[in-house]
Amino acid sequence: DAKTTQPPSMDCAEGRAANLPCNHSTISGNEYVYWYRQIHSQGPQYIIHGLKNNETNEMASLIITEDRKSSTLILPHATLRDTAVYYCIVRVGGGGADGLTFGKGTHLIIQP
Amino acid sequence: DGGITQSPKYLFRKEGQNVTLSCEQNLNHDAMYWYRQDPGQGLRLIYYSQIVNDFQKGDIAEGYSVSREKKESFPLTVTSAQKNPTAFYLCASSPQLTGANYGYTFGSGTRLTVV
Repeated sequence: DAKTTQPPSMDCAEGRAANLPCNHSTISGNEYVYWYRQIHSQGPQYIIHGLKNNETNEMASLIITEDRKSSTLILPHATLRDTAVYYCIVRVGGGGADGLTFGKGTHLIIQP
Repeated sequence: DGGITQSPKYLFRKEGQNVTLSCEQNLNHDAMYWYRQDPGQGLRLIYYSQIVNDFQKGDIAEGYSVSREKKESFPLTVTSAQKNPTAFYLCASSPQLTGANYGYTFGSGTRLTVV
């Protein structure tokens, strides 16, 4: 699986858009970008994933650059409950197999 | 509602004792996983199982054992050989569909403390 680089922490004001970057310069053609988040002392929660097109769901939007070497997770209207550690993961598509590799992620703090 | 249940939420163990953490899922997922998380760190894979009666070691399997006798259940035993067992343990599952794109579902975790 390709390695990812994320800032260790970020702040965002409540009600504003939170933009979380992720670099994955060694991503290969069949690897997807997945985003998870982990609220303190809970299990990680799946947010969104994509291959090369931008994706949007009820939780967030995922913007992937044309060269696929980086991506941005966007929480459009951040709330205090969005305070969590956000993990960017790249791996080949498909469930199962040998599990996900989680780095340290980005600790997003939403300020009131 | 479908999901993954881990029990207990908190567990205390004396040094030298084995302890088993429970993980049950009703999602009909084929694959199940155990992860360990230490404070301020990411998740590290302990064991995973893609089908019943089969499992593979992850990155940090030493001192742990698992079984997969039923599709819904994947218990983890932390043995006395695990030198630093105090951690937060997470169980996950996913469908085993090659070429499909599914997220993983995680349980709420078990916090193990050795006293």
